[in-house]
Amino acid sequence: DTAVSQTPKYLVTQMGNDKSIKCEQNLGHDTMYWYKQDSKKFLKIMFSYNNKELIINETVPNRFSPKSPDKAHLNLHINSLELGDSAVYFCASSPDLNTEAFFGQGTRLTVV
Amino acid sequence: GQQLNQSPQSMFIQEGEDVSMNCTSSSIFNTWLWYKQEPGEGPVLLIALYKAGELTSNGRLTAQFGITRKDSFLNISASIPSDVGIYFCAGQLYNNNDMRFGAGTRLTVKP
Repeated sequence: DTAVSQTPKYLVTQMGNDKSIKCEQNLGHDTMYWYKQDSKKFLKIMFSYNNKELIINETVPNRFSPKSPDKAHLNLHINSLELGDSAVYFCASSPDLNTEAFFGQGTRLTVV
Repeated sequence: GQQLNQSPQSMFIQEGEDVSMNCTSSSIFNTWLWYKQEPGEGPVLLIALYKAGELTSNGRLTAQFGITRKDSFLNISASIPSDVGIYFCAGQLYNNNDMRFGAGTRLTVKP
């Protein structure tokens, strides 16, 4: 069983489109995250949720909107996609605050 | 900010050699984590450190949480080809969900 699963694994779309990436964890964790990894492999936190509440919202364009319908899911919706949004997006979860995070396999987003 | 400085950026070593990499920060962290990422995969947790001075091993890997709480190192002994990947340190402030990552150390092991 996959602990943290994201879909889709690959996403190619045109500029201006709206797309969503889904994430689910079956670990019973309270905290979930979205990270962006750029072409230089630098990992930067975007959002984190604890018990469905937004805890961290880094300086991310408001075109990015996370949604947590329940503790096991944290989806990422992106409006009006731009070329610079191309990256690998990782979902992660951790048991609670200040504990180690477990990552999904990533979604490679390519905006053309 | 709580920037993590990870070094070296890359390493090219011969199979069987030992490897050492480290992370330093200007801020104090209550948790240090070490991850490995292979191509096309997400980062995988190797070692988690929660106490200053803590030294933890996981097979051929050993990591330590610095006494000042501003640094950590990871050692890999007797490297093998499957150790190839990018190793990331990550630090987390107490009661803060903000886990910051270093820029990564790209390890290449030549058979």
